[in-house]
Amino acid sequence: DAKTTQPNSMESNEEEPVHLPCNHSTISGTDYIHWYRQLPSQGPEYVIHGLTSNVNNRMASLAIAEDRKSSTLILHRATLRDAAVYYCIRNFGNEKLTFGTGTRLTIIP
Amino acid sequence: DAGVIQSPRHEVTEMGQEVTLRCKPISGHDYLFWYRQTMMRGLELLIYFNNNVPIDDSGMPEDRFSAKMPNASFSNLKIQPSEPRDSAVYFCASSLNNLNEQFFGPGTRLTVL
Repeated sequence: DAKTTQPNSMESNEEEPVHLPCNHSTISGTDYIHWYRQLPSQGPEYVIHGLTSNVNNRMASLAIAEDRKSSTLILHRATLRDAAVYYCIRNFGNEKLTFGTGTRLTIIP
Repeated sequence: DAGVIQSPRHEVTEMGQEVTLRCKPISGHDYLFWYRQTMMRGLELLIYFNNNVPIDDSGMPEDRFSAKMPNASFSNLKIQPSEPRDSAVYFCASSLNNLNEQFFGPGTRLTVL
């Protein structure tokens, strides 16, 4: 079973960076790390994914540890609209995504 | 593109009735996924299709649940007969290929009384 470990909840101040951790100590060499988020009353939304190298896009950055046993999603400047549940997902090199319980991020104005 | 379209957005029905949920994926996407989300069990993958063919239905809870994809632009999920424990939000998602991001629809909130 796909296992990642995330904190249940985190808080951050508006306009400050947010670092969301994820542990995936049993990851194999071909597993990708995907991040999705779910805003209230909406379907999940893709954020970013990566394999070995750090990745950046318009929404966030993904920092993957050298041993790949953990990763961190970085929101560079949190806004109130970033309040959501963030899911870190291992993908076994196929199309199936197994969602865990995620981290509920609260942004404090 | 309008994104993934689901209908209805809300469905309230009585136990024992048949329920049909519908999904139109993003044009050109080869994969279609059906998920269910509840407070107790979180977000669960029920079934997914590749090029209209069911690939993995291991998440379908029981024989009361069935899903079809008659063509590349439509899929439905049926529950017959429905039970109160089927109450959940059902999401449909599509993706271009097996490693691309999945695009989720707005969901159908099902309430079975």
